[in-house]
Amino acid sequence: QSALTQPASVSGSPGQSITISCTGTSSDVGGYNYVSWYQQHPGKAPKIMIYDVTNRPSGVSNRFSGSKSGNTASLTISGLQAEDEGDYYCSSYTSISTVVFGGGTKLTVL
Amino acid sequence: QVQLQESGPGRVKPSETLSLTCGVSGYSISSGYFWGWIRQPPGKGLEWIGSMYLSGNTYYNPSLKSRVTISLDMSKNRFSLKLSSVTAADTAVYYCARDRRALAGPAFDFWGHGTLVTVSS
Repeated sequence: QSALTQPASVSGSPGQSITISCTGTSSDVGGYNYVSWYQQHPGKAPKIMIYDVTNRPSGVSNRFSGSKSGNTASLTISGLQAEDEGDYYCSSYTSISTVVFGGGTKLTVL
Repeated sequence: QVQLQESGPGRVKPSETLSLTCGVSGYSISSGYFWGWIRQPPGKGLEWIGSMYLSGNTYYNPSLKSRVTISLDMSKNRFSLKLSSVTAADTAVYYCARDRRALAGPAFDFWGHGTLVTVSS
């Protein structure tokens, strides 16, 4: 299974909105509403931000939102804050009941 | 609050078997959910290893399937990972996590802190 495709890096200024894309195929992202997003700060474990494309776990800021169109899922962060800086990973369920992650995107808050 | 903690050797010799355990507190693994392992080579991205349900239903990454075994120990509320015939490419931080797969799609909602395993002689 091939990793999902994410941009290597994105950046934005405080208060702005940014979107991170996650592109797969009809056998993973496009075939199921089972995309998740994780935030990872240096030296820390990943933290779930979105599951099942659009759902936010309890305690996650409503500045984080997820969506999907065709084979591409997206994570949008609005009202960017310095604490949002870090690495973001998407993952998807696949047609062979496995999980595939994206390569990760480094978010820089300018 | 669900908490997970990995434990095991920090160094494994090439060709040997990597063995890790994940202790769970705040939730009984016999109550449901899948339980999984994810790894991250130094400076690289996340790679799913596999997930297991209490029924014994198990899913593995196809690229690792021939070398991986995940098992649950409900009496001790923990689960384990065994990865055989390791090489330097298996050097990574290994995370254990709870997998929401039983509810809908797979998603890892609680994670351990991670443990670095280095494959070296």
